[in-house]
Amino acid sequence: GAGVSQSPRYKVAKRGQDVALRCDPISGHVSLFWYQQALGQGPEFLTYFQNEAQLDKSGLPSDRFFAERPEGSVSTLKIQRTQQEDSAVYLCASSARQGANYGYTFGSGTRLTVV
Amino acid sequence: QQQVKQSPQSLIVQKGGISIINCAYENTAFDYFPWYQQFPGKGPALLIAIRPDVSEKKEGRFTISFNKSAKQFSLHIMDSQPGDSATYFCAATDSWGKLQFGAGTQVVVTP
Repeated sequence: GAGVSQSPRYKVAKRGQDVALRCDPISGHVSLFWYQQALGQGPEFLTYFQNEAQLDKSGLPSDRFFAERPEGSVSTLKIQRTQQEDSAVYLCASSARQGANYGYTFGSGTRLTVV
Repeated sequence: QQQVKQSPQSLIVQKGGISIINCAYENTAFDYFPWYQQFPGKGPALLIAIRPDVSEKKEGRFTISFNKSAKQFSLHIMDSQPGDSATYFCAATDSWGKLQFGAGTQVVVTP
């Protein structure tokens, strides 16, 4: 597709439930990033892939968060045993090459609400 | 610890006026400073960006001013229009692209 596609757009999860968020980057983009955006805040880095390799996962808040990109294209962010503090918009971004100056395209995000 | 500090949190400007948003950073390893515009329900979209070897960059009604010695940069929106009403984020990154965002400025342009 022409842009970064994220699904679902909205997800309501009961506390303790596991969720999986999907990101379809722009075709051919090697770099893929996940960010978490709390209400009224700027996005915060979660993790970074170059192709299928996860090069940085320093922003993942806890071991309940797990991300994968097994074939170097689609990526999934999984959150286990969701907590209320996980409620946020999860943004995915991709770029053609390493480095933000090569053009970062964000998806519209998945809004996760944990009740 | 927020690596990029942004102000003001919000501003209201009349149509045709100038909006000014300021950011400051600490990490001297940052070498690329983009500004993003975000509308409700959408992801951030790149507006304009600058490298630290340039003091000013202008694209249409949007201008970035950069002060390397003070570690500060700002966005000026000239001739503000109602369609510019959005949240604006400054950001900074090093060579491999992990973005550090400011907290955002909500801009409202009144008719």
